[in-house]
Amino acid sequence: EDKVVQSPLSLVVHEGDTVTLNCSYEVTNFRSLLWYKQEKKAPTFLFMLTSSGIEKKSGRLSSILDKKELFSILNITATQTGDSAVYLCAVGLNTGNQFYFGTGTSLTVIP
Amino acid sequence: NAGVTQTPKFQVLKTGQSMTLQCAQDMNHNSMYWYRQDPGMGLRLIYYSASEGTTDKGEVPNGYNVSRLNKREFSLRLESAAPSQTSVYFCASTRPLGDTQYFGPGTRLTVL
Repeated sequence: EDKVVQSPLSLVVHEGDTVTLNCSYEVTNFRSLLWYKQEKKAPTFLFMLTSSGIEKKSGRLSSILDKKELFSILNITATQTGDSAVYLCAVGLNTGNQFYFGTGTSLTVIP
Repeated sequence: NAGVTQTPKFQVLKTGQSMTLQCAQDMNHNSMYWYRQDPGMGLRLIYYSASEGTTDKGEVPNGYNVSRLNKREFSLRLESAAPSQTSVYFCASTRPLGDTQYFGPGTRLTVL
């Protein structure tokens, strides 16, 4: 059975802290891994990773994929209150263009 | 470009009633999806349509039907609503051979 597991389920940090969110997966026909941010509305796209070991960066956010160990991490440095959200990891499959989502990590950044 | 639109935004049903959730995209995307999101459960795929004319079951299809009316529109029907279908429903689409999903604003459905 295909599955995507995120950890931790929730996290509370202070502004300025650095956080690491984890996503592990067990799927057949892996094609891609995606990270989304969800702030009480629809998810918005952050990163897509397809190759192992290549870091994607956008400002204070970065992500990397390890296809051998079947996991990805999302790092957020110098966190701000605007980073408070649920972060979703999804895995795209080659079969039928399906996606499986993890349960998400709820991040709260307090001033 | 409106992106992905969904109607209605909110709906309250009684057990046993039926309704159709509408989704449309104006980005010429091939694939469209219906998800439900429950607290602590992430997004679970109900049905998807890889291309116009095809539909397939996802993880949680029971109690739902879908219609891919044309390339733009993908509707989700609840024939006999149950309280277990109380959820937030998201429609999404992707371009051909693309993986980034574009989501609609969601429909919050309550079944009493």
